[in-house]
Amino acid sequence: AQTVTQSQPEMSVQEAETVTLSCTYDTSESDYYLFWYKQPPSRQMILVIRQEAYKQQNATENRFSVNFQKAAKSFSLKISDSQLGDAAMYFCAYRREGNNDMRFGAGTRLTVKP
Amino acid sequence: EAGVAQSPRYKIIEKRQSVAFWCNPISGHATLYWYQQILGQGPKLLIQFQNNGVVDDSQLPKDRFSAERLKGVDSTLKIQPAKLEDSAVYLCASSLVGIGDTQYFGPGTRLTVL
Repeated sequence: AQTVTQSQPEMSVQEAETVTLSCTYDTSESDYYLFWYKQPPSRQMILVIRQEAYKQQNATENRFSVNFQKAAKSFSLKISDSQLGDAAMYFCAYRREGNNDMRFGAGTRLTVKP
Repeated sequence: EAGVAQSPRYKIIEKRQSVAFWCNPISGHATLYWYQQILGQGPKLLIQFQNNGVVDDSQLPKDRFSAERLKGVDSTLKIQPAKLEDSAVYLCASSLVGIGDTQYFGPGTRLTVL
């Protein structure tokens, strides 16, 4: 079974600084997708970034980038120039190719200090 | 473009009572998902529909949970009878076709069972 582990229940960052959220996963598959979702207090889950396992290049979306290490089964999220609006729960998720069952980690609560 | 709509946003019931949640996916999205998110955990898939057919309900507690998606658009999730451990946020998500497409989440319904 695929599992996703987020080892940091809480993280904090100063506004305008950079923070990295960790995620590791366990799978025997070679083709899969990895995601980072943001869940603000309003509860609406918003896709932050997505990575296909077959791509070696790390995905980037504006201030958000990932460090995808396939051999180590690691998928960390880096948030640059942190903003107050980045404060939320962040969930790492895994989905294998050919399947829509996404497996989520337990989440990391990010606090941004002004 | 309107997002995924869910109602109600909050529901409090006594154990052994019944409850129903409603979801309206993004227009044109063929695939619809119901997730259960227990406090402090990531979402867990309960059921997935493709149009009005069930694709995956392997994690749905079928002795008390049921879901339907009539006409392939709106969906309802029902719990009958509710137990204390059903207290959670129930998230609905939709995607365009299915495998490989990004899932868009609704705001969720927070259920408290007393």
